[in-house]
Amino acid sequence: EDQVTQSPEALRLQEGESSSLNCSYTVSGLRGLFWYRQDPGKGPEFLFTLYSAGEEKEKERLKATLTKKESFLHITAPKPEDSATYLCAVQAVSNYQLIWGAGTKLIIKP
Amino acid sequence: GAGVSQSPRYKVAKRGQDVALRCDPISGHVSLFWYQQALGQGPEFLTYFQNEAQLDKSGLPSDRFFAERPEGSVSTLKIQRTQQEDSAVYLCASSPRVGGEQFFGPGTRLTVL
Repeated sequence: EDQVTQSPEALRLQEGESSSLNCSYTVSGLRGLFWYRQDPGKGPEFLFTLYSAGEEKEKERLKATLTKKESFLHITAPKPEDSATYLCAVQAVSNYQLIWGAGTKLIIKP
Repeated sequence: GAGVSQSPRYKVAKRGQDVALRCDPISGHVSLFWYQQALGQGPEFLTYFQNEAQLDKSGLPSDRFFAERPEGSVSTLKIQRTQQEDSAVYLCASSPRVGGEQFFGPGTRLTVL
């Protein structure tokens, strides 16, 4: 069964304190792994797509990496505006739906 | 350009009522998805359209749920005889290509009393 597990459930950091969020997955053939950001009361906002192990993508203070079993979202010197829930999802080669983790709620304190 | 829009943003229904939720995808996007999101959880897949064809409805929880996209653009998710367990946020997403990244609307929060 395709499955995504994210850890930790919640993470509180001081402004400027770098850290990483984890997304472990099992899927019967990976088409792509997606990272989204979700603010309260809004829909998920697309961040990155990763397609193969070893791939890395960066955007501002965020960098996403992918291995055959997990993905990491590294956040460098975060700011309070980076506070949000970060969601990871996988898409299998057999269909087009996204299978989601429960998310990591990130809080950055000034 | 305009993103995905959904209406209404909030809907309160009495148990047993029928509801219809609308999604306007990004213009030109061929793929359209509906997801259900419970509080504190990730979205769960409901159904998928490629143009006007409903290619996957394996996530619809019961035969009370029905979705359509008759002209390959606007989509409607209909829930008949709503139950309290239907209370959730319903998200619509569109994608410019098959298998590509999905862009989400703000969601419709449905509360069934």
